[in-house]
Amino acid sequence: GAGVSQSPSNKVTEKGKDVELRCDPISGHTALYWYRQSLGQGLEFLIYFQGNSAPDKSGLPSDRFSAERTGGSVSTLTIQRTQQEDSAVYLCASSPPGGSYGYTFGSGTRLTVV
Amino acid sequence: QKEVEQNSGPLSVPEGAIASLNCTYSDRGSQSFFWYRQYSGKSPELIMSIYSNGDKEDGRFTAQLNKASQYVSLLIRDSQPSDSATYLCAVNEDGGGNKLTFGTGTQLKVEL
Repeated sequence: GAGVSQSPSNKVTEKGKDVELRCDPISGHTALYWYRQSLGQGLEFLIYFQGNSAPDKSGLPSDRFSAERTGGSVSTLTIQRTQQEDSAVYLCASSPPGGSYGYTFGSGTRLTVV
Repeated sequence: QKEVEQNSGPLSVPEGAIASLNCTYSDRGSQSFFWYRQYSGKSPELIMSIYSNGDKEDGRFTAQLNKASQYVSLLIRDSQPSDSATYLCAVNEDGGGNKLTFGTGTQLKVEL
């Protein structure tokens, strides 16, 4: 696609429920990243994919968080048993292969846990 | 812990003035540096990248890099109210693939 697409754009869920966030990167971008941004805070790295593998998942806050990427394209971030502290904007970004490039971000998913 | 530091601001400048935004980083091996602009309620947008010491100009924006001092800055000439946003500095970690570490951002306010 023309840009990084994220869905849903907004999600309100009850505490304890599971949620899935989806990211569709720019076509041809082999690298995909998940970050989250709490209100008024900076960007917190969660996980990075190169193709379908995740060389760096050091930012996942707990074992309730997991992510996968299939076909070198779409990625899903899953949060199990959501807690109120999980409320944030979850941002996905992608970048081209080779070298070092800046990312293109999607518009994000605003997650609210009530 | 690799860190990227920015003054949170707000930095207020009058319309037409030069805004100067600064960033320091801890990883001496970092090779690539980026500036993102983030409007309130929106996602970050890449506006500048710089890889070599010195200045890089793009329209009203100039990025400056000094690797010896581990310092990168962004100058915005002829500041406009539409430049009011939070500016995020991002640094590519040495050996980190293409993973970027972001600063917490500087809020810029351009006043009429």
